[in-house]
Amino acid sequence: GAGVSQSPRYKVTKRGQDVALRCDPISGHVSLYWYRQALGQGPEFLTYFNYEAQQDKSGLPNDRFSAERPEGSISTLTIQRTEQRDSAMYRCASSPAGGLGTDTQYFGPGTRLTVL
Amino acid sequence: AQSVTQLGSHVSVSEGALVLLRCNYSSSVPPYLFWYVQYPNQGLQLLLKYTSAATLVKGINGFEAEFKKSETSFHLTKPSAHMSDAAEYFCAVSVSGGYQKVTFGTGTKLQVIP
Repeated sequence: GAGVSQSPRYKVTKRGQDVALRCDPISGHVSLYWYRQALGQGPEFLTYFNYEAQQDKSGLPNDRFSAERPEGSISTLTIQRTEQRDSAMYRCASSPAGGLGTDTQYFGPGTRLTVL
Repeated sequence: AQSVTQLGSHVSVSEGALVLLRCNYSSSVPPYLFWYVQYPNQGLQLLLKYTSAATLVKGINGFEAEFKKSETSFHLTKPSAHMSDAAEYFCAVSVSGGYQKVTFGTGTKLQVIP
């Protein structure tokens, strides 16, 4: 596609439910990143993939959070047993190269998650 | 670990006035620095980046930023604000050496007053 897309754009769920957030990166982009952005804050790194390999998951806050990119394209961020503190904007980005420090990241519009 | 500090969460300027958004970085090794802009209901978009070439970097929409090592700063400027510049701006830092995480600042919302 022309840009990074994310779905759903808005998700409201009840505490304790599992949610799956989807990211479709720019075609051909090697690297894919997930960020979480709280109100009034900048994006906070969660995890990163090169192709299908998860290279860095050090930003995932706890074991309720997981991500996969099984075919090196679309990625899913899953949050199990959601809690109210998980409410945030979840952003996905992709870049053409291998996560180098100079890479430009192309961001999707985000998924606004609200946990009631 | 590297970090950035953006001074001023909200900045207001009159249309046609100078835009100055401040960013200071902290890094133990030479940094790469970025400015991203976020318009409402859209993703972040790269404005410009410094990757150790020229210290004065020109970006899209008339913005530029100057890397000043002595001041550990990378302030974003535009000579004349336009209404369409109203958005949130994020400074970010990474470092060299293969894969590196990008660390973002907390953002500055720019309001342009007609």
